[in-house]
Amino acid sequence: GQNIDQPTEMTATEGAIVQINCTYQTSGFNGLFWYQQHAGEAPTFLSYNVLDGLEEKGRFSSFLSRSKGYSYLLLKELQMKDSASYLCASMDSNYQLIWGAGTKLIIKP
Amino acid sequence: DAGITQSPRHKVTETGTPVTLRCHQTENHRYMYWYRQDPGHGLRLIHYSYGVKDTDKGEVSDGYSVSRSKTEDFLLTLESATSSQTSVYFCAISEGADYNEQFFGPGTRLTVL
Repeated sequence: GQNIDQPTEMTATEGAIVQINCTYQTSGFNGLFWYQQHAGEAPTFLSYNVLDGLEEKGRFSSFLSRSKGYSYLLLKELQMKDSASYLCASMDSNYQLIWGAGTKLIIKP
Repeated sequence: DAGITQSPRHKVTETGTPVTLRCHQTENHRYMYWYRQDPGHGLRLIHYSYGVKDTDKGEVSDGYSVSRSKTEDFLLTLESATSSQTSVYFCAISEGADYNEQFFGPGTRLTVL
């Protein structure tokens, strides 16, 4: 079956660094996406990885290991506005996105 | 921001009534998707379209139908709404199927009593 696992909730302190992990098992693999979703709003695209390694984009970085079926999203210099849910999604062999349930990130001052 | 709108934004209806949700885009993207989002679940694909009059089923298509008569509009119909279809419905668009990010509409919160 197809499965995406990520922690339900994480708490971090403003200014700190947090790593949100995601493991995936899908029928085929065409890349790993991370989205941010603030409460009551639509998901917005953060990153896409298809090759192993780290992709850095400002305060946010995303890592992929295809052999381990593992990805993480790294958020640095946390700000209160980073309080949101972070959604991991794997693109399967039919180019459909299989989504995790999301990780709710709570930032404390 | 991608030009995607959904209507209505909120709807309360009764079990057994038909409901149609509309997604409208101004980006001329080929692919359009309907998802539902429920607590404890990831986004789940209901139906998608890869062109005018070209649609296919997703993971949770039972009880739902779709139509796409114009590039810009993708309609989701619940023929006879049930309480299990209470959810937040998101429309998304993408230029292509592969390696393309999906842009999401603002969502429709549907409550079936």
